[in-house]
Amino acid sequence: DGGITQSPKYLFRKEGQNVTLSCEQNLNHDAMYWYRQDPGQGLRLIYYSQIVNDFQKGDIAEGYSVSREKKESFPLTVTSAQKNPTAFYLCASSITGGNTIYFGEGSWLTVV
Amino acid sequence: GQQLNQSPQSMFIQEGEDVSMNCTSSSIFNTWLWYKQDPGEGPVLLIALYKAGELTSNGRLTAQFGITRKDSFLNISASIPSDVGIYFCAGQANAGGTSYGKLTFGQGTILTVHP
Repeated sequence: DGGITQSPKYLFRKEGQNVTLSCEQNLNHDAMYWYRQDPGQGLRLIYYSQIVNDFQKGDIAEGYSVSREKKESFPLTVTSAQKNPTAFYLCASSITGGNTIYFGEGSWLTVV
Repeated sequence: GQQLNQSPQSMFIQEGEDVSMNCTSSSIFNTWLWYKQDPGEGPVLLIALYKAGELTSNGRLTAQFGITRKDSFLNISASIPSDVGIYFCAGQANAGGTSYGKLTFGQGTILTVHP
């Protein structure tokens, strides 16, 4: 089945550690995105990538890093510099020139 | 930056009732999208609107793209228990260029349906 796969679904991290969230899509979409969702709030854009080997900061990029070495993959690293990393993270993708994006099922990150 | 105000923040309704929620923007959007999110899952696209004045239906759902391009509403008719969830509006200012794919999201409307 085509879709966006995020892993892991649940992740616990100790303070001071980096952690990487995986996002893979087999929809042949060129553009991929990472959003953060906090309880009772909307989604905020962390990073996005329109093509392989290129990405741009979103509205809340500080403390995060990404890479886009393959079209299908857009991993997000939550670094120790992110002051409040506990949140629900959503990966998304869209076709070239398309303005409709589709989401993965999300990853819960909890800092303990 | 662009802001979307979505209302109401939450709704408690009886099964069978109709529901209406809306989003207003401080600036013009070229695209409006409506998503539904179940607890612990990613948002699922319900309806996409691409033209001012456009009225689109998807089963019991109807959404409209406001003529001013600064608002949109979503109606759900004859609600059922599985309609429970969080509904988000999202707007995009440009179909291409630097704003490509960047959506601005509303804060969400939490819908509870009592059987």
